[in-house]
Amino acid sequence: DTGVSQDPRHKITKRGQNVTFRCDPISEHNRLYWYRQTLGQGPEFLTYFQNEAQLEKSRLLSDRFSAERPKGSFSTLEIQRTEQGDSAMYLCASSSRDLGDYEQYFGPGTRLTVT
Amino acid sequence: SQQGEEDPQALSIQEGENATMNCSYKTSINNLQWYRQNSGRGLVHLILIRSNEREKHSGRLRVTLDTSKKSSSLLITASRAADTASYFCATENRLDSSYKLIFGSGTRLLVRP
Repeated sequence: DTGVSQDPRHKITKRGQNVTFRCDPISEHNRLYWYRQTLGQGPEFLTYFQNEAQLEKSRLLSDRFSAERPKGSFSTLEIQRTEQGDSAMYLCASSSRDLGDYEQYFGPGTRLTVT
Repeated sequence: SQQGEEDPQALSIQEGENATMNCSYKTSINNLQWYRQNSGRGLVHLILIRSNEREKHSGRLRVTLDTSKKSSSLLITASRAADTASYFCATENRLDSSYKLIFGSGTRLLVRP
């Protein structure tokens, strides 16, 4: 079990550019979550997948954000036309309640800085 | 928006002392979880307490839950410098089929050697 991995770990981009982050969950986990965390705050929910279906999106997720989970495996989160307010840590987590485990397992996060 | 509020926002103690953090939440829950986050890194799950439980222990951790007051506390006994981190409570809300976590704003703990 290699845990949840995220790539890249850090991304610096200029305002207006598009960025894409990747999350590889624990292989047997069917649920995948994206959260965003700004400095000094707790993580805030962005979106949730069960297998390949995106079942819930937060109002925080503007039209510039899109997430996918093709084939129910890895997931990508894309931000188009980045703004300085998008600067944050983007965290991915996976879980599988089918295994009787209610814990969410978090990746190390991708820190985005928009200049 | 965040559901939970944590108290205190920051705590500084001497190694060997106990640390207590409190969390309040607003809605009915399935469970409440505590996570630790070292500076700028991912979150690590510490302990989960279900809504029908009142107290739970894991090693040096003790969690209590009072659903009537919608509050929880995390006690770390005999603290170590390695316990320095931010601690977050997170709730799984009843009737939420996504089981997403709603986090508090966190307590930053500093354990001085």
